[in-house]
Amino acid sequence: ETGVTQSPTHLIKTRGQQVTLRCSSQSGHNTVSWYQQALGQGPQFIFQYYREEENGRGNFPPRFSGLQFPNYSSELNVNALELDDSALYLCASMTDSYNEQFFGPGTRLTVL
Amino acid sequence: SQQGEEDPQALSIQEGENATMNCSYKTSINNLQWYRQNSGRGLVHLILIRSNEREKHSGRLRVTLDTSKKSSSLLITASRAADTASYFCATVPDSNYQLIWGAGTKLIIKP
Repeated sequence: ETGVTQSPTHLIKTRGQQVTLRCSSQSGHNTVSWYQQALGQGPQFIFQYYREEENGRGNFPPRFSGLQFPNYSSELNVNALELDDSALYLCASMTDSYNEQFFGPGTRLTVL
Repeated sequence: SQQGEEDPQALSIQEGENATMNCSYKTSINNLQWYRQNSGRGLVHLILIRSNEREKHSGRLRVTLDTSKKSSSLLITASRAADTASYFCATVPDSNYQLIWGAGTKLIIKP
């Protein structure tokens, strides 16, 4: 158990819809990162938040957006879903020492 | 794009044997981390090695780092069926604190 939770576990959406994925980090972990992991591949960095501000972004279009809240929860929003958005979405939190990341179990998103 | 590349992509060995996985990366790093993932679920941190370290041990795990070759290896000794999982290396570049991941090695331990 890493103390990081994600909801929902699974989600099925249709192309063009919008989705919000949620993550609850460990208390005291000011940094949260979101990743997309396609089947059989390593995680791809989407973006990172530190104290409610985005402080890093990977090669993802603006329809991927996020929020981080003072209570150590965060959201990943994806607009105008495409078939290629089908993947496992992982959030990870870490302390200010920037060492190991603590991952949630992930949300499996399927876009039909 | 991913910086790390794991080798081999898949490895199948008998229980009790040692398993060695390799990772190569492209830019200078602050540290390199190894993670394990079971069945497409969340990743679990195994071990972190800093750029000024050459070797680190944790239980049955041994990690080496060669910054001149930009490579690392993960050795799992006396493998067990429960070690079956995918193993990923991730690097933290000098320039920022974002983890950059390889594609992973799928390890299968046959009982």
